[in-house]
Amino acid sequence: DIQMTQSPSSLSASVGDRVAITCRASQSIDNYLNWYQQKPGKAPRLLIYATSTLQGGVPSRFTGSGSGTDFTLTISSLQPEDFATYFCQQTYSSLWTFGQGTKVE
Amino acid sequence: QVQLVQSGAEVKKPGASVKVSCKASGYTFTSYDINWVRQATGHGLEWMGWMNPYGGNTDYSQKFQGRVTMTRDTSTSTAYMELHSLTSDDTAVYFCARGAPLIVYHMDVWGQGTTVTVSS
Repeated sequence: DIQMTQSPSSLSASVGDRVAITCRASQSIDNYLNWYQQKPGKAPRLLIYATSTLQGGVPSRFTGSGSGTDFTLTISSLQPEDFATYFCQQTYSSLWTFGQGTKVE
Repeated sequence: QVQLVQSGAEVKKPGASVKVSCKASGYTFTSYDINWVRQATGHGLEWMGWMNPYGGNTDYSQKFQGRVTMTRDTSTSTAYMELHSLTSDDTAVYFCARGAPLIVYHMDVWGQGTTVTVSS
């Protein structure tokens, strides 16, 4: 199985801050990397797929980058509605796996 | 609009089975996979497997092989996930999610989640 490791596990930030979350794969996954946002009591929401493609309706302050084993989700200017937990996911192998999550608080 | 609506919360005893439904609307049900993902309280997301509603073929995570069954009813655009031999470790919220194979496979629409509690 491909292991996905996110860092940090949590971070404290303020509105207007630039926030970066990293995700590392245990082996190369090319660009098969997706990012999801989840708020308490809600289902995950797709933000970015294929490393850097923004899902429709997602604000442009969210960007994704990386390739191979190292990936980053960046929020350019944190907004109140962005306080949530973020998960990366690889779909390179047929056994999809998620990172453990990063809570932005 | 495109949506997945799941069945309500379940309480089961250890050793029992649970069957969760996921009704699709707003798109052609047989054109997209349905994935199942679970989340124990305070934990991350765990992918269980997917089913292709067109042919009914499935691919299950090894962790759940032999204990999970994913099926569908194309006449009602509904997918089902049945988990057998429940233990307290199966207490979690179970989500269905549509699988979109565009560029890179991703899950673009999610159900609201179904809470399954396993308790004696």
